[in-house]
Amino acid sequence: DIQLTPSPSFLSASVGDRVTISCRASQGIPSFLAWYQQKPGKAPQLLIYGASTLQSGVPSRFSGSGSGTDFTLTISSLQPEDFATYYCQQLNSYFMWTFGPGTKVEIK
Amino acid sequence: QVTLKESGPALVRPAETLTLTCSFSGFSLTTSGMCVSWIRQPPGKPLEWLALIDFHDDKYYTPSLETRLTISKDTSEDQVVLTMTNIDPMDTATYYCARVVGGVYAFDHWGQGLLITVSS
Repeated sequence: DIQLTPSPSFLSASVGDRVTISCRASQGIPSFLAWYQQKPGKAPQLLIYGASTLQSGVPSRFSGSGSGTDFTLTISSLQPEDFATYYCQQLNSYFMWTFGPGTKVEIK
Repeated sequence: QVTLKESGPALVRPAETLTLTCSFSGFSLTTSGMCVSWIRQPPGKPLEWLALIDFHDDKYYTPSLETRLTISKDTSEDQVVLTMTNIDPMDTATYYCARVVGGVYAFDHWGQGLLITVSS
């Protein structure tokens, strides 16, 4: 099984900060890599798919990049509503889906 | 407008079979590329993908739970059903259904989630 490891697992940041969250796969994967935001008590929301494509309706301060084993989610200027947990998720060639353990972004 | 909603019992006894229904609207599971999946999240823990069914009626399961899960669809009712046998307290979680569209290959719409508690 492919494992996804986020870095960091916890992040303390201030409004206006540029935030970068990484997701490393245990082996090279196709770019079927997605990022989700989840707030307490709510369903996750898709932010990025295909490693770098912004989902419709998602603010442009969110961006994704990467390929192979290393992927990154960047928030260019953290807003109060961005404090949440972020999950990476990959789809492998056997149509098996895996979520990473998540990165919690909290207010400094 | 795409919507999904999970339904099922809030409380299940250990060793019983859990049956969850995802009722959706705004798309059809007969459309090429459409899929519906089940994902769960134990309290305070990460998301775990469980199963997926596609427009062609192909089914996929997470290997660790494959022997306990069955996913099926009723296209006339726009519903997807997940059954999980031999329920254990470790299965206590919020269960979500979500849509996948071919080409996106991500969960682009989610239900609100349903908390299932397993307890005697």
